[in-house]
Amino acid sequence: GDSVTQMEGPVTLSEEAFLTINCTYTATGYPSLFWYVQYPGEGLQLLLKATKADDKGSNKGFEATYRKETTSFHLEKGSVQVSDSAVYFCALSDQTTDSWGKFQFGAGTQVVVTP
Amino acid sequence: GAGVSQTPSNKVTEKGKYVELRCDPISGHTALYWYRQSLGQGPEFLIYFQGTGAADDSGLPNDRFFAVRPEGSVSTLKIQRTERGDSAVYLCASSLKGAGHYEQYFGPGTRLTVT
Repeated sequence: GDSVTQMEGPVTLSEEAFLTINCTYTATGYPSLFWYVQYPGEGLQLLLKATKADDKGSNKGFEATYRKETTSFHLEKGSVQVSDSAVYFCALSDQTTDSWGKFQFGAGTQVVVTP
Repeated sequence: GAGVSQTPSNKVTEKGKYVELRCDPISGHTALYWYRQSLGQGPEFLIYFQGTGAADDSGLPNDRFFAVRPEGSVSTLKIQRTERGDSAVYLCASSLKGAGHYEQYFGPGTRLTVT
């Protein structure tokens, strides 16, 4: 079945550092890929998405490129801020199987940014 | 506009009791999803509605769990004979349509504690 694997956290880094969170997936069809973020005490929010191979999603300085050849969707940000401290979830939705519509989430990666 | 709302925000119940969790999706969204999130984990799919009908209920863990969406808008997740293992945050999400490339918008969740 479909699955998503994320790097384990917590990831601790200093303000203005470069952030990468690895995400790889397994899917039988042609998934759409998403990154969601959960700030402390808040609900899940969509950060960015990509719906086909080689698409790049971007938002709030974050980027992720849909790499079909490596089945990856790594999240990157060039210079993090303390306000980026949160839990980040990679997710997929497989459009061509009977799993249509439902999301498969990774376990989440906690990011802690210190001043 | 209003986002996805869920009530109650917290529910504490005794083992063996019956509970109902309510979700009010974004107006105009035809697809509605229920997920369960345990501490330190990503959301786990439970059930997906397209309109009034359950399009995929493969994630419901057993027959104590049931969900309805009688008029294609508000949905209720019902849990009978609750067990301590049911304790989790129950998330509801909605999307414009039930296709995989449409992002899902999440509510704040209902934290269920079974004592």
